[in-house]
Amino acid sequence: EAQVTQNPRYLITVTGKKLTVTCSQNMNHEYMSWYRQDPGLGLRQIYYSMNVEVTDKGDVPEGYKVSRKEKRNFPLILESPSPNQTSLYFCASSGGKVEWGANVLTFGAGSRLTVL
Amino acid sequence: AQRVTQPEKLLSVFKGAPVELKCNYSYSGSPELFWYVQYSRQRLQLLLRHISRESIKGFTADLNKGETSFHLKKPFAQEEDSAMYYCALDRSSGGYNKLIFGAGTRLAVHP
Repeated sequence: EAQVTQNPRYLITVTGKKLTVTCSQNMNHEYMSWYRQDPGLGLRQIYYSMNVEVTDKGDVPEGYKVSRKEKRNFPLILESPSPNQTSLYFCASSGGKVEWGANVLTFGAGSRLTVL
Repeated sequence: AQRVTQPEKLLSVFKGAPVELKCNYSYSGSPELFWYVQYSRQRLQLLLRHISRESIKGFTADLNKGETSFHLKKPFAQEEDSAMYYCALDRSSGGYNKLIFGAGTRLAVHP
């Protein structure tokens, strides 16, 4: 089944303890992205990647890192989490914009992170 | 500034009533607009996009460049339409996704 898989789905951690949220897609998509969802703010883009070794900041990149060493994986790294990073995180991928419709996003199930 | 505004956090209607979920955008280029939907316990998924000019699950949305709006409409709401709806704008202008999302509107359809 074509999908985007995120892990962990739920995580409670403490301030300053490094964590990684993994994201993997099996659709050979070039484009991958991370969003955070907060009440009243909708989804805000954290980082995105247009292909292997090509990443760029989204609208709210502070406090996050990403890497894209392989096409299928796009982990989100919180080096020193803080309580304001408590949120619901979504990974998404698409085939890009080679033709109309290729920029439609496929989303993961979400990862709920709580930083105490 | 580039922005997507969904003015209603919650829209509550009865089954069979018409539905209009509002979306306004601010963007200087040629916009590509989408509606995404998240049903309970399901993943966020595409509902429709303006370039397709299609009707999905009875929903339609027309891009009005003069009013910078992309409202989502359905003439007769069904209980299964209850979900969270997000309007999104792609700012990429020919490149890859640079989607910005609105804050979302929760649609509740009552029997």
